[in-house]
Amino acid sequence: DTAVSQTPKYLVTQMGNDKSIKCEQNLGHDTMYWYKQDSKKFLKIMFSYNNKELIINETVPNRFSPKSPDKAHLNLHINSLELGDSAVYFCASSQGMSGRVIAGYTFGSGTRLTVV
Amino acid sequence: GNSVTQMEGPVTLSEEAFLTINCTYTATGYPSLFWYVQYPGEGLQLLLKATKADDKGSNKGFEATYRKETTSFHLEKGSVQVSDSAVYFCALSGPAGGTSYGKLTFGQGTILTVHP
Repeated sequence: DTAVSQTPKYLVTQMGNDKSIKCEQNLGHDTMYWYKQDSKKFLKIMFSYNNKELIINETVPNRFSPKSPDKAHLNLHINSLELGDSAVYFCASSQGMSGRVIAGYTFGSGTRLTVV
Repeated sequence: GNSVTQMEGPVTLSEEAFLTINCTYTATGYPSLFWYVQYPGEGLQLLLKATKADDKGSNKGFEATYRKETTSFHLEKGSVQVSDSAVYFCALSGPAGGTSYGKLTFGQGTILTVHP
């Protein structure tokens, strides 16, 4: 039973298209995240949600819009895809205590997005 | 703000060699510290953690000690195996409040290759 599952695992699409990535966690965690990993393996947080409320919104283009219908799901919609959006996108979840993550994150296996 | 600096990679070792990957951090208060490992084509997995000064995290033969005085959390293993080849990330979770809620800040990652 996968703890944090992302779909799809691979996504190849043309510039200008709109696409979504879905994430679900069955750990009962209260916080979920989207991270972007570039070609040099650098990880950067994009968004975090705590109990469906947006908490962190880093400097991310408006073309990226997260949506959390409930605390077990966090989806990422990307409009007007650009070549520079090509990366691996990771969903993660955690159980925070007053904002401090004690036990670490549980990551999904990633979605490799390639924009051509 | 919080930051994590890891030693530059890639690191290439022979099997049974001793491994050290340096990690230093900058943070206010008392962060929690983590090492994550990413095997090829997979998501990140928590390797070990420490939540207060002088704590030692350990798992699968890897160890790291939370050194408040030197703001370090170096990863060590006495005898590496080919199967340890992966990317290793040092990370911290800062104190509560504001936009840092639950946020893990990652180092840039260190690629480790172990040859037979």
